[in-house]
Amino acid sequence: SAVISQKPSRDICQRGTSLTIQCQVDSQVTMMFWYRQQPGQSLTLIATANQGSEATYESGFVIDKFPISRPNLTFSTLTVSNMSPEDSSIYLCSVEDFWGQETQYFGPGTRLLVL
Amino acid sequence: LAKTTQPISMDSYEGQEVNITCSHNNIATNDYITWYQQFPSQGPRFIIQGYKTKVTNEVASLFIPADRKSSTLSLPRVSLSDTAVYYCLVGALNTGGFKTIFGAGTRLFVKA
Repeated sequence: SAVISQKPSRDICQRGTSLTIQCQVDSQVTMMFWYRQQPGQSLTLIATANQGSEATYESGFVIDKFPISRPNLTFSTLTVSNMSPEDSSIYLCSVEDFWGQETQYFGPGTRLLVL
Repeated sequence: LAKTTQPISMDSYEGQEVNITCSHNNIATNDYITWYQQFPSQGPRFIIQGYKTKVTNEVASLFIPADRKSSTLSLPRVSLSDTAVYYCLVGALNTGGFKTIFGAGTRLFVKA
């Protein structure tokens, strides 16, 4: 299985600022995904990030608020822009299983608190 | 996308077998059924996946009837450490339009 790390693991930010979350995978993967999980809730897909193309955003999420970079096959970043307390959440990245199974592996998540 | 429906929560005792059923009436022909486990402060972890009939691995079994409109995750002899949220997902990965939709999940509480 893929080993996925995220930085930072947690942060406390002031409203109006931006935070960039990094996701690093130990092997090359085509598809990476970014999710948000609000406290006590399930996961919500933000966007799909393929290397070499623009990220595809889900309904309710826009690039200006959550810009995503995917510079290579092992790395991606998600920026939470102009943060408000409503952005307080856990942000997780995941990657497809690269042995061809229809599944994903998740990073440990970044816990964000916006004051 | 096939929507899934699971019980919100379940209680069990150590050593018991736990069966969590998921309904997915609109499952498509290419869809697989995948179960994830999530502990607090961790990302979801893949448990098991199947397409039809029965799949078993070292941690769980997955039972899928012929119509594939539901599936049952079976955890044999649960322990306290199996207390977690269990998500049932339906979807296909390599179809170009892949999306993973997580339902509410089932919170399993294992008691001593």
